[in-house]
Amino acid sequence: DAEITQSPRHKITETGRQVTLACHQTWNHNNMFWYRQDLGHGLRLIHYSYGVQDTNKGEVSDGYSVSRSNTEDLPLTLESAASSQTSVYFCASSGAGEVADTQYFGPGTRLTVL
Amino acid sequence: QKEVEQDPGPLSVPEGAIVSLNCTYSNSAFQYFMWYRQYSRKGPELLMYTYSSGNKEDGRFTAQVDKSSKYISLFIRDSQPSDSATYLCAMSALYELIFGQGTELSVKP
Repeated sequence: DAEITQSPRHKITETGRQVTLACHQTWNHNNMFWYRQDLGHGLRLIHYSYGVQDTNKGEVSDGYSVSRSNTEDLPLTLESAASSQTSVYFCASSGAGEVADTQYFGPGTRLTVL
Repeated sequence: QKEVEQDPGPLSVPEGAIVSLNCTYSNSAFQYFMWYRQYSRKGPELLMYTYSSGNKEDGRFTAQVDKSSKYISLFIRDSQPSDSATYLCAMSALYELIFGQGTELSVKP
């Protein structure tokens, strides 16, 4: 069955370190998204991609970067982790060519920055 | 003011109750409206999807959209303990989804 996976599921890091969160989907979806979820804020969009080599900034992109070298993967990098980036991170994907198509979410990565 | 407002709750109801969850929004360009359900420590999953105004029913769940009032609702009939989760509304003008803060629902046996 097609799925979307994230790794690691839990990560503790220190302020200033570079961190990369992995997202891999087997739906063959063109669209991929990264969100962070914090109490009182719901899900906020960090970055998104509509295809290979395409990346776009979302609402809360400062301090994060992504790159899309193939269809299946969209890794999220925190260049220099800050305590404000402690959060739960979700990756999602959706099909191309259909407006507001169903987004399928991964299980999440819980990141703690000390 | 946020584009999408949702009462975070928490909301606690007895088993069998009718539950009403609501969101308001400010962007009149939104035309796709969704409800996601998120169990504890899991990713959100799509529950209901509605295009434009009107009602949509799926089993015990009914989604309503009133674009004139910029207001959407999710009704759960005969609520069950298995419905205990966080419910997030989401809406879109095209591709990008804007989420509400989520309402935490607890259904007590």
